[in-house]
Parts: sequence; structure tokens; C-alpha cells
Amino acid sequence: EIVLTQSPATLSVSPGETATLSCRASLSVSTHLAWYQQKPGQAPRLLIFDTSSRASGVPARFSGSGSETDFTLTISSLQSEDFAVYYCQHYNNWPVYTFGQGTKLEIK
Amino acid sequence: QVQLQESGPGLVKPSETLSLTCTVSGDSISSSDWSWIRQPPGKGLEWVADLYSSGTTYYNPSLQSRVSISVDTSKNQLSLKLRSVTAAETAMYYCARWIGGPAGWFDPWGQGTLVTVSS
Repeated sequence: EIVLTQSPATLSVSPGETATLSCRASLSVSTHLAWYQQKPGQAPRLLIFDTSSRASGVPARFSGSGSETDFTLTISSLQSEDFAVYYCQHYNNWPVYTFGQGTKLEIK
Repeated sequence: QVQLQESGPGLVKPSETLSLTCTVSGDSISSSDWSWIRQPPGKGLEWVADLYSSGTTYYNPSLQSRVSISVDTSKNQLSLKLRSVTAAETAMYYCARWIGGPAGWFDPWGQGTLVTVSS
């Protein structure tokens, strides 16, 4: 099983600044990685698929990068609505998929 | 747009069977692929099962002996059954559409239904 490790567990950033979230895979997942945003009491929402493609309606301040085992979600010019928990998910080991444990992005 | 709504009993006794339904609107359930994912309170996400439009099913290996996923095309509904549940399976259960075939992602998700396993 491929394990995804997200860091940091909690990230404190001020509004208007840039947040950088990391997701590391225990084995290569090529570019088969997605990112989701989950706000309290809500379901996860797809942000990024195939490492760097934004889902429909996702603002351009969200960007993804990386390959193989190291991936980054960057959120620039943080808005109040961006503070949430973010999960990465791989789909390189079909048909078994796993998620990272999440990074909580909080207001500094 | 596609909307998903989960429903279920809320409370299930240990060792019994958990049965959930996901009603899909805005898409034909027979023309897309679907998934169940769960999330224990305060914890992360765990993929449970997939059902492809071909009828093929895939299950998390850790649950494979106890879980089944199916569709009712007449009602445009997806179902999940999990037998012999334990308290550790108390979780929010989400249904989602699976996009992309063998290398895909979950989008969109339903709002989830909370299942508590307790006597």
C-alpha cells in the first residue's frame, strides 16, 4: 500500500500570504495525485487532479505541482474562505486509493 | 449539476449490518462510476468501495470480506452494505462520483451521513 504523508499537520498563515502544503508518497505515484479541501461540517471538495489541473470553479490562486513522490499545493493570496483541512489522494495503485492524513490550514 | 444525497439509519448495533443509500440527481447512475468513502470523527478519509458503470466492483482490501456495493437504476440510487460492524466503524459515510477510470478522482461528493455503531 502506498502511504501518503502530509506536512505540516497544522499550518498557520496570515490572510493575504501564501501557504505551501506538502504531500509525500512512500512510492512513486507518477502524477496521479489529487487535492481536496474540507471545511468544518462539509464534504471534501475536489481542488486539483493530475497533480496540477484545477477542477471546475477552483480559483487560480490554488496551484499544484510535483511528481513521483513529492507534491505541493500552493495557495497564494489567502482568503478567509481558504482556511480548511486539505487532503491529498493518489490513484496510481488502481483499484486501491489512499488519502493523506490532512493538513489543517489555520489563520495566524 | 450532479448532486448526491446519502441516507441511512444513523445508529447501528455492533455485529449488525450497516445499510446506506445514495440518491443521485443530475446524472444517470448507470452511465458513471461511483464510490463510497468514510471518515471517522476528527480523522482522515478512507476509500471503501467502487462500482463502475460496467458493473465491476472494487473494495478496500481491509473490508472486502464484509462489504458490498450495488445500484438500483430504477431509483438512480447507489447502496452500501457493511456486515458485522464494530464501534471503530463509526464514521461519516460519503458517496461520490468517480471520475477518470483506472486513474481518477472523486467529484462531486455528497454531504455525508453519520453512522454511529453502538449498543
